Amino acid sequence: AQSVTQLGSHVSVSEGALVLLRCNYSSSVPPYLFWYVQYPNQGLQLLLKYTSAATLVKGINGFEAEFKKSETSFHLTKPSAHMSDAAEYFCAVSDKGRNKLIFGAGTRLAVHP
Amino acid sequence: EAGVVQSPRYKIIEKKQPVAFWCNPISGHNTLYWYRQNLGQGPELLIRYENEEAVDDSQLPKDRFSAERLKGVDSTLKIQPAELGDSAVYLCASSLAQGGNTEAFFGQGTRLTVV
Repeated sequence: AQSVTQLGSHVSVSEGALVLLRCNYSSSVPPYLFWYVQYPNQGLQLLLKYTSAATLVKGINGFEAEFKKSETSFHLTKPSAHMSDAAEYFCAVSDKGRNKLIFGAGTRLAVHP
Repeated sequence: EAGVVQSPRYKIIEKKQPVAFWCNPISGHNTLYWYRQNLGQGPELLIRYENEEAVDDSQLPKDRFSAERLKGVDSTLKIQPAELGDSAVYLCASSLAQGGNTEAFFGQGTRLTVV
């Protein structure tokens, strides 16, 4: 069965510092991969997705993620954190041919001045 | 374009009482999902519809949970009777096409508290 592991339930960075949120998946074949962001009392919003085209995927708000098959990873990065990036981030995986998103437990990002 | 609309936003009920949640997906989206998000966890799929058909309800506790999607548009999720452990945020989402690579759009969710 597919699963997603997000290392670190809480990450804290200074404003302007690099953001790195880790995601590893388990799947017998390369799946589709997604990063969603959830602001307080809001639904989830798609940041970016990997669908077997370019392995480096650029998303909204300056975020990007790199698919590494050899490491079964899809880590999310942003060169310079902004206060508005404080939120919860979820990595998700979906089988090709199925509309079933499986989410990780999430990583709460705090950005301090 | 309106997004996925859910109501109510918040609901507090006593255990053993029934409760229902409503979802209106984005117009034209044939796939509709209900997820449950427990505190500090990621969303977990309860049921997925393709048009009117429930194609994946393996995680739905069928002894107390039921769902319907009449006419392949709006959907309701019901719990009867509610238990303390049902306290969570219930998220509805919709997407346009099959294949697994399309974006799911989420509503703001219904926060259920069972006391």
